[in-house]
Amino acid sequence: KQEVTQIPAALSVPEGENLVLNCSFTDSAIYNLQWFRQDPGKGLTSLLLIQSSQREQTSGRLNASLDKSSGRSTLYIAASQPGDSATYLCAVRYFGTASKLTFGTGTRLQVTL
Amino acid sequence: GAGVSQSPSNKVTEKGKDVELRCDPISGHTALYWYRQSLGQGLEFLIYFQGNSAPDKSGLPSDRFSAERTGGSVSTLTIQRTQQEDSAVYLCASSLVRGGQETQYFGPGTRLLVL
Repeated sequence: KQEVTQIPAALSVPEGENLVLNCSFTDSAIYNLQWFRQDPGKGLTSLLLIQSSQREQTSGRLNASLDKSSGRSTLYIAASQPGDSATYLCAVRYFGTASKLTFGTGTRLQVTL
Repeated sequence: GAGVSQSPSNKVTEKGKDVELRCDPISGHTALYWYRQSLGQGLEFLIYFQGNSAPDKSGLPSDRFSAERTGGSVSTLTIQRTQQEDSAVYLCASSLVRGGQETQYFGPGTRLLVL
């Protein structure tokens, strides 16, 4: 079964800290992997998309890495801010599954003052 | 421009009633997806429309669920004879493939509560 797992389920850090969110997937035959942010009562916002041929993508304070052989991706957030507080979701598009995304259950991040 | 919109934003219904959820995708986007997010669970794929192709219904949990997309734009997800386990947030997304890459843009969701 193609599954996506995120650890930890919840994380609280003080403002200014660097942090890493983890995502693991059971099948290495992926087309791409995407990180989303979900704010309460709102839809998902795409943060970074990594194609299977890539090892990392960067956008501002965010850096996402991909290691297909080990079935892992990490989202690194530098110098965290209270505005980063949200739920972060990892989603994988597997080959042979049309365009649907398989999502992890998310990591709920709280950045405190 | 406007993003993906969904209506209603919240819906409370009684067990056994039918409900219709609406999604207005971004203009020009050819692909449309429905997902469900239950409490404590990840997003679950329900159905996918791409242009004029037959939809991928592989994620629909039962025959009480159906969806249509009229004129390649607006989509309606219908749940018949609702059950309490149908309570969830229903999210719609649309996308456009560019340069071999596809990013899905999500609406705010419809929160469904079945009493």
